[in-house]
Amino acid sequence: AQKITQTQPGMFVQEKEAVTLDCTYDTSDPSYGLFWYKQPSSGEMIFLIYQGSYDQQNATEGRYSLNFQKARKSANLVISASQLGDSAMYFCAMREPTTQGGSEKLVFGKGMKLTVNP
Amino acid sequence: KAGVTQTPRYLIKTRGQQVTLSCSPISGHRSVSWYQQTPGQGLQFLFEYFSETQRNKGNFPGRFSGRQFSNSRSEMNVSTLELGDSALYLCASSLGQGSGEAFFGQGTRLTVV
Repeated sequence: AQKITQTQPGMFVQEKEAVTLDCTYDTSDPSYGLFWYKQPSSGEMIFLIYQGSYDQQNATEGRYSLNFQKARKSANLVISASQLGDSAMYFCAMREPTTQGGSEKLVFGKGMKLTVNP
Repeated sequence: KAGVTQTPRYLIKTRGQQVTLSCSPISGHRSVSWYQQTPGQGLQFLFEYFSETQRNKGNFPGRFSGRQFSNSRSEMNVSTLELGDSALYLCASSLGQGSGEAFFGQGTRLTVV
């Protein structure tokens, strides 16, 4: 079964600094997708970035980039120039592939809390 | 382009009642997935609907059911509510091709008293 591990329960970073949030995954399937979401206290799950297992380049979306190391099965999120509004829970997730093709089931890590200090 | 819309945002129900939650996906998206989030269990997959058919199902009792309409809007129903059903229910919208982004709604916070 697919598994996502986020070992950092919480992190603190100074405003304007870069921060890396760790995520490792476990799957035996060659085709999968990796996601990062941000969840502020309001509860909304905000999509940040997506990386497909066959994508040759690391995904980037504005201040967010995904450091995808396939051999190490890691998909770390890098946030550059942190802002106070980045304070939230962050979840790493993997789309679980199926032999039938076309599954949208996501398996989530436990999440980690990022606090950005002024 | 409108995002994923979940209604209602908040609900308070009594044990034994039933509840129906609604999710309208992004236009053009044919897959809607539902998740339950609790402090103890984290985010757990309930089920996925694609083209009006349930394509995947998580490990939840039969009290949890859903359906999808021809316009891709989905509803989730929980019957005979228990205190443990108190949670944030999130739906995700995607194209349904097993690749690409998946976007979530704001969630429905259900409290069972």
